[in-house]
Amino acid sequence: EDKVVQSPLSLVVHEGDTVTLNCSYEVTNFRSLLWYKQEKKAPTFLFMLTSSGIEKKSGRLSSILDKKELFSILNITATQTGDSAVYLCAVSNSGYALNFGKGTSLLVTP
Amino acid sequence: DAEITQSPRHKITETGRQVTLACHQTWNHNNMFWYRQDLGHGLRLIHYSYGVQDTNKGEVSDGYSVSRSNTEDLPLTLESAASSQTSVYFCASSLTNTDTQYFGPGTRLTVL
Repeated sequence: EDKVVQSPLSLVVHEGDTVTLNCSYEVTNFRSLLWYKQEKKAPTFLFMLTSSGIEKKSGRLSSILDKKELFSILNITATQTGDSAVYLCAVSNSGYALNFGKGTSLLVTP
Repeated sequence: DAEITQSPRHKITETGRQVTLACHQTWNHNNMFWYRQDLGHGLRLIHYSYGVQDTNKGEVSDGYSVSRSNTEDLPLTLESAASSQTSVYFCASSLTNTDTQYFGPGTRLTVL
């Protein structure tokens, strides 16, 4: 059975801190891993990773995939209160439906 | 601008009633998906479609059905609503042969 496990489940940090969110997976026929940000509404797409060791970056957010150890990390540097959200990790296999983890709830305090 | 919409945004219904949630996208995406989101479970796949007349069951399909008569719409029907189906429902779509899905704003359904 396919599994996507995110850790930690929740996290509280101060503005300016750097955070690392983790996602490990067990999926047959892995094709890609995706990160989404969810505030009090629909998930919005952040990154899609398909190759090991290639960092994807967007502003203060970055992510990398390790296909040998079956995990990905999402880094957020110099956190701001606007980064407060649930971060979702999802994995695709041979089909195009996504298998989601339970998410990491991040709270950034002023 | 192309977009994906869901209606209604909020609905309260009674146990045993049939309910249909609408999903409409204007991106001309072939792939469409329905998920439900509950505390402690994350997003779980209900049904999905890769094109007109194609429908497939997901992880939690019992009590739900979909039909795909055109590219733009994938309505989700709860045949006989149960309290366990109280949830937030998200529709999503993606291009053929791509994994990146784009989500609608969600429908909050309460079954009393």
